[in-house]
Amino acid sequence: DADVTQTPRNRITKTGKRIMLECSQTKGHDRMYWYRQDPGLGLRLIYYSFDVKDINKGEISDGYSVSRQAQAKFSLSLESAIPNQTALYFCATSDSRQSYGTQYFGPGTRLLVL
Amino acid sequence: AQSVTQLDSHVSVSEGTPVLLRCNYSSSYSPSLFWYVQHPNKGLQLLLKYTSAATLVKGINGFEAEFKKSETSFHLTKPSAHMSDAAEYFCVVTPPRGYSTLTFGKGTMLLVSP
Repeated sequence: DADVTQTPRNRITKTGKRIMLECSQTKGHDRMYWYRQDPGLGLRLIYYSFDVKDINKGEISDGYSVSRQAQAKFSLSLESAIPNQTALYFCATSDSRQSYGTQYFGPGTRLLVL
Repeated sequence: AQSVTQLDSHVSVSEGTPVLLRCNYSSSYSPSLFWYVQHPNKGLQLLLKYTSAATLVKGINGFEAEFKKSETSFHLTKPSAHMSDAAEYFCVVTPPRGYSTLTFGKGTMLLVSP
């Protein structure tokens, strides 16, 4: 079984719709992250959470919100989707007890906004 | 502040020939550095990491990277390419001890021909 799972794996939606991407992990890690990947731009950080009560904006948080429902669950919402939010979204986790911040990634959610 | 530059967006090699993927970093402190690999339609997998213990770091699948502080470089190499190495590779920088977030390069696509 995968340690970091993302649902859905693929999603098509229309401009203006609200959608939620979900991430769950069984690694017991306290830190979780959301990234988006666009061709030629690498991965850019949207939001991150160092524990259940800690939420931080990343490089590109505008148009997104998150919820850390439990240590193992971190959801990303697009309040009103727009076409330039079409991208591949990754969730990742890390363990603050490990000194060097290795992150472990889910399989990704491919989102298309029409 | 920290940043990372991957000097080639695409690298093409023949199977059995050496691989060199170049990465330069900028950091106001001694960083931790990683290489991640992303195979088509897959999530990101950690190849190797530098955490100041040794400048030559060996990773999975025969890859290695050398940290050169004087050149601010962390190039990824492999003596002999295999068809299964075809993927996108990301160089990543973070402050030491993992107390912050990762900064990704824009990626290098490695193409391997028979």
